[in-house]
Amino acid sequence: AQSVTQLGSHVSVSEGALVLLRCNYSSSVPPYLFWYVQYPNQGLQLLLKYTSAATLVKGINGFEAEFKKSETSFHLTKPSAHMSDAAEYFCAVSGYTGANNLFFGTGTRLTVIP
Amino acid sequence: NAGVTQTPKFRVLKTGQSMTLLCAQDMNHEYMYWYRQDPGMGLRLIHYSVGEGTTAKGEVPDGYNVSRLKKQNFLLGLESAAPSQTSVYFCASRGGPEGYTFGSGTRLTVV
Repeated sequence: AQSVTQLGSHVSVSEGALVLLRCNYSSSVPPYLFWYVQYPNQGLQLLLKYTSAATLVKGINGFEAEFKKSETSFHLTKPSAHMSDAAEYFCAVSGYTGANNLFFGTGTRLTVIP
Repeated sequence: NAGVTQTPKFRVLKTGQSMTLLCAQDMNHEYMYWYRQDPGMGLRLIHYSVGEGTTAKGEVPDGYNVSRLKKQNFLLGLESAAPSQTSVYFCASRGGPEGYTFGSGTRLTVV
């Protein structure tokens, strides 16, 4: 079965500091992994996705994530936080049986301190 | 623009009332999904459909019904709304193992 764990429901960083949002997954088969961002009162926007090509995936807005099979991790990073990065971030893994749906983590709310 | 359209965007219901949320996609996708989003719980799957005329239960199906009479439409019904169904509802469709498209959401409040 597929599942995702996001460590830290709230993360605060200073403007210009490194952003690191953690995601660990559980999957019995090679997964497809996703990061979504949700700004207040808006829908989900795809940041990036891993589809078994390159293990380092670059996304929009300067974010990237690295797939590490040995650690079952897919952490999201950005070298320098901007105020506009304040949002909630969701990690998700795709399912492979029946519904083939996305399984979401519980989300991490990122606060950027000026 | 191609995508997933949800209507309505906002709704307030009284306890016991019924309503239907509509999801429409124009990408000819087979798979469609209804999720609910609650604070601290991420998105949880309510029901899904793998094609026209088929539906199945997800993780949290109680209190909801769905129908997929046409391939492009996936309806979510609440027969007797309860305050516990106050949530943000997202519809999505799947065009392949990596191609999920989400609607903009419906914010439902049950008072």
